[in-house]
Amino acid sequence: EDQVTQSPEALRLQEGESSSLNCSYTVSGLRGLFWYRQDPGKGPEFLFTLYSAGEEKEKERLKATLTKKESFLHITAPKPEDSATYLCAWDTGGGNKLTFGTGTQLKVEL
Amino acid sequence: EPEVTQTPSHQVTQMGQEVILRCVPISNHLYFYWYRQILGQKVEFLVSFYNNEISEKSEIFDDQFSVERPDGSNFTLKIRSTKLEDSAMYFCASLNYRVGEQYFGPGTRLTVT
Repeated sequence: EDQVTQSPEALRLQEGESSSLNCSYTVSGLRGLFWYRQDPGKGPEFLFTLYSAGEEKEKERLKATLTKKESFLHITAPKPEDSATYLCAWDTGGGNKLTFGTGTQLKVEL
Repeated sequence: EPEVTQTPSHQVTQMGQEVILRCVPISNHLYFYWYRQILGQKVEFLVSFYNNEISEKSEIFDDQFSVERPDGSNFTLKIRSTKLEDSAMYFCASLNYRVGEQYFGPGTRLTVT
């Protein structure tokens, strides 16, 4: 059975304190691993798509990586405006429907 | 920058009433989706739509639900005879097929009383 686990469920960081969020998966036929950011009461905001093990993508303070078993979202020197829930999602079939994980709620404090 | 838009932002309806949620996908996208998120829970796939027909639907998407692309820009989700448990945020998304990136709208908060 396909399974994806995001950890930690919640993370509190001081401004400038780098860390990583994890999305581990056992999904057969993974076609893509996606990272989204979601602010309270808003729609998911697209961040990255990763397709193959070893792939890395960067955007400002965020860097996403993918191995055969997990994906990491690294946050370097975070700022309070990075506070949000970060969602991992995956696509396993035609039609590109996404299945979402439960998310990591990140809070960055001054 | 093109974006997915949704109306209304908040809809309150009484149990048993019909509601129509509206979406305008990004103009050159061809694949469209509806997802929902019950408060405090995961984002869940409802239905995907391509070439004027449903391409895939989840178990949640039963006969109570229907989707339509009534014209060249709008994409709608109709919920007939709403139930209390239909209260959720409903998100529309459209796909840039070339790069496989799905973009979500801001959502419609549906409250069924």
